[in-house]
Amino acid sequence: GNSVTQMEGPVTLSEEAFLTINCTYTATGYPSLFWYVQYPGEGLQLLLKATKADDKGSNKGFEATYRKETTSFHLEKGSVQVSDSAVYFCALRYSGGYQKVTFGTGTKLQVIP
Amino acid sequence: GAGVSQSPRYKVAKRGQDVALRCDPISGHVSLFWYQQALGQGPEFLTYFQNEAQLDKSGLPSDRFFAERPEGSVSTLKIQRTQQEDSAVYLCASSSRGLDFAGANVLTFGAGSRLTVL
Repeated sequence: GNSVTQMEGPVTLSEEAFLTINCTYTATGYPSLFWYVQYPGEGLQLLLKATKADDKGSNKGFEATYRKETTSFHLEKGSVQVSDSAVYFCALRYSGGYQKVTFGTGTKLQVIP
Repeated sequence: GAGVSQSPRYKVAKRGQDVALRCDPISGHVSLFWYQQALGQGPEFLTYFQNEAQLDKSGLPSDRFFAERPEGSVSTLKIQRTQQEDSAVYLCASSSRGLDFAGANVLTFGAGSRLTVL
């Protein structure tokens, strides 16, 4: 079945450090890929998405590139801020027309000043 | 409404009690999902509605779990005879697209209802 594997956290970085959170997937067909973010006390919200191979999703300084050859969708940011502290979830949606979204286990990021 | 609203935000139940969790999706959104998120885990799919029709309930963990969306808007997730393993955050999400949309449909989540079963 479809699944998403994320690197385990927590990840602790100093402000302005470079961030990478790894995500790989297994899926039949060509899924759409997402990163969702969950700030403390809030619901999940979409951070970025990509719908086909080599697409790059970007938002708020975060980027992720859909790599079909390595089945990966790693999240990166060049310079993190304290306000980026949250839990990040990689997710996929099977391309077969049904909207079920499958999530990874989440990676907690803590940015310290 | 402007966002997805869930209530109650927090619920403590004694083992064996019945609970009901409410989700008020964004007005006009066709699709509604329930997910269960255990501590330190990602959301796990429970069930899906398109309008009032429950098209997939394959993720419901037992027959103690029941969901409805009778008028195609507000949904209620009911858990009967709660057990300790039911303790989790229950997330509701909605989207404007229906079953036939094959693109990168975006879900809008509520803040969740945290259930603790003692």
